[in-house]
Amino acid sequence: EAGVTQFPSHSVIEKGQTVTLRCDPISGHDNLYWYRRVMGKEIKFLLHFVKESKQDESGMPNNRFLAERTGGTYSTLKVQPAELEDSGVYFCASSRRTVLANYGYTFGSGTRLTVV
Amino acid sequence: QKEVEQNSGPLSVPEGAIASLNCTYSDRVSQSFFWYRQYSGKSPELIMSIYSNGDKEDGRFTAQLNKASQYVSLLIRDSQPSDSATYLCAVNSGTYKYIFGTGTRLKVLA
Repeated sequence: EAGVTQFPSHSVIEKGQTVTLRCDPISGHDNLYWYRRVMGKEIKFLLHFVKESKQDESGMPNNRFLAERTGGTYSTLKVQPAELEDSGVYFCASSRRTVLANYGYTFGSGTRLTVV
Repeated sequence: QKEVEQNSGPLSVPEGAIASLNCTYSDRVSQSFFWYRQYSGKSPELIMSIYSNGDKEDGRFTAQLNKASQYVSLLIRDSQPSDSATYLCAVNSGTYKYIFGTGTRLKVLA
């Protein structure tokens, strides 16, 4: 099966601009997650979708970040306006099951966002 | 205190040696533990999961879990240069979220 696909792979934008990241999960995976890794820090949870519904967005840094998953397929993460501290690698992951006691995510290769 | 702690490394081992990677966690209710391998510029790849105390072996990899001491480790036997990567420890408390450590960079010297 095809893996989790993210694009763009890299994005360099100026402070104040808008950027939209896209994630296509594995087909049939209802659960979709966004994570972010800021340089030198650990990968941190941003939010979780089950189909098109946001189950938990407690990790979203602030209201400049907006995630959507219309139709329960692909998801977008928009940053508007971007700030310097938003730079990092944004990972998307998907899974069939919500309870992950014995399972793992499948991650996409990430989008490296650089805000200058 | 970080929720999941790992030594950032780099940990350098000669080819053929055993690499030992360690991880401690702070949440006692944590249920599942995962090791991911991440090559530079690539996505994290799940290599081991463990949820019961003791050892779990899969090929050259052995995961060890000690819930009383709140640590989990990964042993890589017969280390190869291709094992050089960053190893991420992730902890799950029975929900959908993972808490990650910052990762340990492993270098296997040929």
